[in-house]
Amino acid sequence: EAQVTQNPRYLITVTGKKLTVTCSQNMNHEYMSWYRQDPGLGLRQIYYSMNVEVTDKGDVPEGYKVSRKEKRNFPLILESPSPNQTSLYFCASSIAGGAYEQYFGPGTRLTVT
Amino acid sequence: DQQVKQNSPSLSVQEGRISILNCDYTNSMFDYFLWYKKYPAEGPTFLISISSIKDKNEDGRFTVFLNKSAKHLSLHIVPSQPGDSAVYFCAAFGEYNNNDMRFGAGTRLTVKP
Repeated sequence: EAQVTQNPRYLITVTGKKLTVTCSQNMNHEYMSWYRQDPGLGLRQIYYSMNVEVTDKGDVPEGYKVSRKEKRNFPLILESPSPNQTSLYFCASSIAGGAYEQYFGPGTRLTVT
Repeated sequence: DQQVKQNSPSLSVQEGRISILNCDYTNSMFDYFLWYKKYPAEGPTFLISISSIKDKNEDGRFTVFLNKSAKHLSLHIVPSQPGDSAVYFCAAFGEYNNNDMRFGAGTRLTVKP
């Protein structure tokens, strides 16, 4: 089954404790992206990757890091989480670029206390 | 800076009637628009798209209309069904940077039986 998986689905952590949210897709997609969803703001792009070893900042990259060492994986790293990063996070992938239909993962709800 | 706006946070319609969801954008460089649907505890799923060279695109019960001069698009669902109850996101991007996908805040549609 074609899908995007994210782990964990729920995470509660404390300020400053480094964490990683994993994202994996099995569709051989070139493009992967991370979004956060906040009430009244919709989905905002954090980082995206056009291909392996190619990443770029989206709309709200501050406080986040990503890496794309393999085509299928695109982890999101919060080196020192803060309460304002409490949000619902989605990973997405598409054949190439945002022009194409994006397939989203189920989401990761992160709470930073 | 909200370049894509969905001014109605919620909409309630009766089963069998038409649902009209609206979206406005400010960036005249946008030339491709998409609608995504999101159920609770799931990631968004692609619904329908339209290119700026068209003013209408249909897919079954779903039709998207684009008015470029007004920078406005709308999604029509006819007839509405209870299973259509979800949050609908409008998204847009431009050929100049098709990785810079902008989403609206979403409209929660409730279809009453």
